[in-house]
Amino acid sequence: DMKVTQMPRYLIKRMGENVLLECGQDMSHETMYWYRQDPGLGLQLIYISYDVDSNSEGDIPKGYRVSRKKREHFSLILDSAKTNQTSVYFCASSLSGTGVYEQYFGPGTRLTVL
Amino acid sequence: KTQVEQSPQSLVVRQGENCVLQCNYSVTPDNHLRWFKQDTGKGLVSLTVLVHENDKTSNGRYSATLDKDAKHSTLHITATLLDDTATYICVVVDRGSALGRLHFGAGTQLIVIP
Repeated sequence: DMKVTQMPRYLIKRMGENVLLECGQDMSHETMYWYRQDPGLGLQLIYISYDVDSNSEGDIPKGYRVSRKKREHFSLILDSAKTNQTSVYFCASSLSGTGVYEQYFGPGTRLTVL
Repeated sequence: KTQVEQSPQSLVVRQGENCVLQCNYSVTPDNHLRWFKQDTGKGLVSLTVLVHENDKTSNGRYSATLDKDAKHSTLHITATLLDDTATYICVVVDRGSALGRLHFGAGTQLIVIP
C-alpha cells in the first residue's frame, strides 16, 4: 500500500522555538516535496528534494530548511518559528520530478505558532 | 500573480445532481494538468490527469476535459454523493521547469447536501 506519512499531525509551538516536521514514504520515490496550505491560497512549494542531499528551494523557502539523509525520509525544520508560519504543512513524493508521475500526499501537519 | 484560477470558489448541490468545476490557467509552457480531491483535514488524492490537447478522461463518476489552446479544464461530477463533499484542486505542471514545478489553484469547495 503506497503511503506518505507525516509526524506529528498537530503541533503547537511558541514563537522562537524550533520545529521539526517529519515525512516518510515507502515507495522508494526519488522526489519529495514540502508545501504549506493557507486558507484561500493554493499550496505553496517550500522545498523540493530530488534525492538524498539534493535539495532545491521552492517558491517560499525563507524561514525553512530541509534535510534528506535517507531516500525515504524528508524533514522540514523551522529555526525560531514565527507566528506567520502557522499553517498546514503537506509532504508529497513522486517517482520522479519530471514526466507525468503522480504526486502522493501525506495527511498534513497542522502547526500553530503562538 | 495567481496562475491557476478555479471557479466557483464554493458550490452547494443536492445529492444526485451533477456539477461542473472550472479551471483556467496561464502557466506556460504547460505540461499536464491534474485534478485532486481533498477531504477536510486530509491530504490530496489524484482523481485524473490530462496530458494532451483536447484530452478527455473518465474515472467513475468523475470526468474531465482539457483545452490547451484555451488553457482551460473542467471537472464533471455525475450523480453526486454525500462523500463527494470536499475541496477539488486543479494543478498545472510547468513543462519549463526541469523538476516539473506544480502550480496549484486555491480549490473549489463542494458541499453535497441530502
